[in-house]
Amino acid sequence: QKEVEQNSGPLSVPEGAIASLNCTYSDRGSQSFFWYRQYSGKSPELIMSIYSNGDKEDGRFTAQLNKASQYVSLLIRDSQPSDSATYLCAVIVSGYSTLTFGKGTMLLVSP
Amino acid sequence: GAVVSQHPSRVICKSGTSVKIECRSLDFQATTMFWYRQFPKQSLMLMATSNEGSKATYEQGVEKDKFLINHASLTLSTLTVTSAHPEDSSFYICSAKTGVGRTDTQYFGPGTRLTVL
Repeated sequence: QKEVEQNSGPLSVPEGAIASLNCTYSDRGSQSFFWYRQYSGKSPELIMSIYSNGDKEDGRFTAQLNKASQYVSLLIRDSQPSDSATYLCAVIVSGYSTLTFGKGTMLLVSP
Repeated sequence: GAVVSQHPSRVICKSGTSVKIECRSLDFQATTMFWYRQFPKQSLMLMATSNEGSKATYEQGVEKDKFLINHASLTLSTLTVTSAHPEDSSFYICSAKTGVGRTDTQYFGPGTRLTVL
């Protein structure tokens, strides 16, 4: 069974703080991991992909993957009100071509 | 790069009519495209996987005769909602996959909001 779990939130952080978003997955065969951002009424936008254990940084975003513990996280440094959105964790399980999405975590960054 | 477009962005139709939605990968060839549906405040729900030149694979519970998918080329897939009813009103989003294996990133189109009166 393919499951991706996220805390629905909302996660509230003040502007300038670090936002930490977490995701766990059930299938050890998962190979590819993605974070998407979805603003209300809009389609998902790819933020980060990560395939290997460890950290991957891109600007203010850092994705962290720990396959042994089956979790993937997204850190947003210097959070801005424009980062307020729902963040979707998505996983591709080995042998499948489809993304399995978590339900998303709503992030609210207050000025 | 990796831009996916959808047309139309919004459509309002009468109950019983059919609506066609186009999904195009603008700057890459997409061997696989996906169609999702999202109701307000709910998660994305995968409807079907579309491979160029072959029949679409539908997820459980999705009626293939109601949601017709055609993937005629490596850059175009269409979803036709046949005999639409108010319960089909939703946000329909396509995505296209680049690469193979581990570089199988999906990029989403901007979505089509369907309202059936």
